Amino acid sequence: NAGVTQTPKFQVLKTGQSMTLQCAQDMNHEYMSWYRQDPGMGLRLIHYSVGAGITDQGEVPNGYNVSRSTTEDFPLRLLSAAPSQTSVYFCASTPGGALLNYGYTFGSGTRLTVV
Amino acid sequence: AQSVTQLDSQVPVFEEAPVELRCNYSSSVSVYLFWYVQYPNQGLQLLLKYLSGSTLVKGINGFEAEFNKSQTSFHLRKPSVHISDTAEYFCAVWDSSYKLIFGSGTRLLVRP
Repeated sequence: NAGVTQTPKFQVLKTGQSMTLQCAQDMNHEYMSWYRQDPGMGLRLIHYSVGAGITDQGEVPNGYNVSRSTTEDFPLRLLSAAPSQTSVYFCASTPGGALLNYGYTFGSGTRLTVV
Repeated sequence: AQSVTQLDSQVPVFEEAPVELRCNYSSSVSVYLFWYVQYPNQGLQLLLKYLSGSTLVKGINGFEAEFNKSQTSFHLRKPSVHISDTAEYFCAVWDSSYKLIFGSGTRLLVRP
């Protein structure tokens, strides 16, 4: 099915470990974003990309890296996991310049726990 | 900077009763507003959006929202809710070509 695919769905990490959250979309969307969702805080933008090879920081980028080597994939890397990074992570995409008309298409999320 | 405030963290309601989920925005310029729904263990889905034109916007699953510029509000309503409407609802405002700003969410709990 077309859409945004996130893997894994669940992950437990120890403090200090690193890992990559995967995100792939097959809709040829130019824009992709990573949000984190925390109770009572809604969704906050971590990083975003407006096309292959172009990324930029959002509101809460510290502790995370991204790259965009292809249109389809936008992985999020946690460099050294901390308990404060326990959250649900959502990847979202939209056609370039069309956020107003289409909104975001969201993946189903990755629930990350750092112990 | 754009922002939205969702006034209620949780709204309990009985099945077939009407419901209103409140959202206020802060902006003095053109504003574009969205409502998203998140069912348990799923991602967010677009319910409806206001870009311009009629202030009453109809969305999926029988939901509608009214844009009120004087009150800076964009409240979501449904005249009769079902158990299946139990979910978390997010109000969001367009901030740029790539970014939506989300509210803190309102959990709608529909009881039989």
